[in-house]
Amino acid sequence: DTAVSQTPKYLVTQMGNDKSIKCEQNLGHDTMYWYKQDSKKFLKIMFSYNNKELIINETVPNRFSPKSPDKAHLNLHINSLELGDSAVYFCASSQATSGRVEEQFFGPGTRLTVL
Amino acid sequence: QKEVEQNSGPLSVPEGAIASLNCTYSDRGSQSFFWYRQYSGKSPELIMFIYSNGDKEDGRFTAQLNKASQYVSLLIRDSQPSDSATYLCAVNPGKAAGNKLTFGGGTRVLVKP
Repeated sequence: DTAVSQTPKYLVTQMGNDKSIKCEQNLGHDTMYWYKQDSKKFLKIMFSYNNKELIINETVPNRFSPKSPDKAHLNLHINSLELGDSAVYFCASSQATSGRVEEQFFGPGTRLTVL
Repeated sequence: QKEVEQNSGPLSVPEGAIASLNCTYSDRGSQSFFWYRQYSGKSPELIMFIYSNGDKEDGRFTAQLNKASQYVSLLIRDSQPSDSATYLCAVNPGKAAGNKLTFGGGTRVLVKP
């Protein structure tokens, strides 16, 4: 049973194209995230949604647009792809609690290569 | 200035020894602290979390937190070759900041048989 799944696993495309990455979680969580991990392995938050509402929007070019059709899905659409967008993109989810600890569960990642 | 700092390594440890990983963070109001393990080409997986000062043990892993010094560490006892991975320290500033996890750059650990 896959908890957080992403498609596709690999994406190779040309500069200037538009592409989407899909994420689904079957954990019943109400919060989902997109992270970018660059070639130096730095993992950085891009967006988070809670119950379909945008909570975190880091300094990300507006070519990146997240969409959450329901709380189990969070997709990432990227317009006019650039070489610097090449990275591994991870989706994650967590369940809001009244306590301090919210474990985030990560998907397998999508390796995007822009040529 | 990086918000969460880790030594990138590699930290080379003989099998059976203790691996000691360190992490410092800049946000004094940070609420909870996480250690994730990431194997090459895989996604991060949580191995420990801690939110109170002191030590927390789970099997061969011990997390240590010192909020006054803004320092969190991870000890891996009886290191095994399967522990070879990159260990990511992550800090959560709390709900007011949207529970945004800020990650360090990771410490690569190599356990040699």
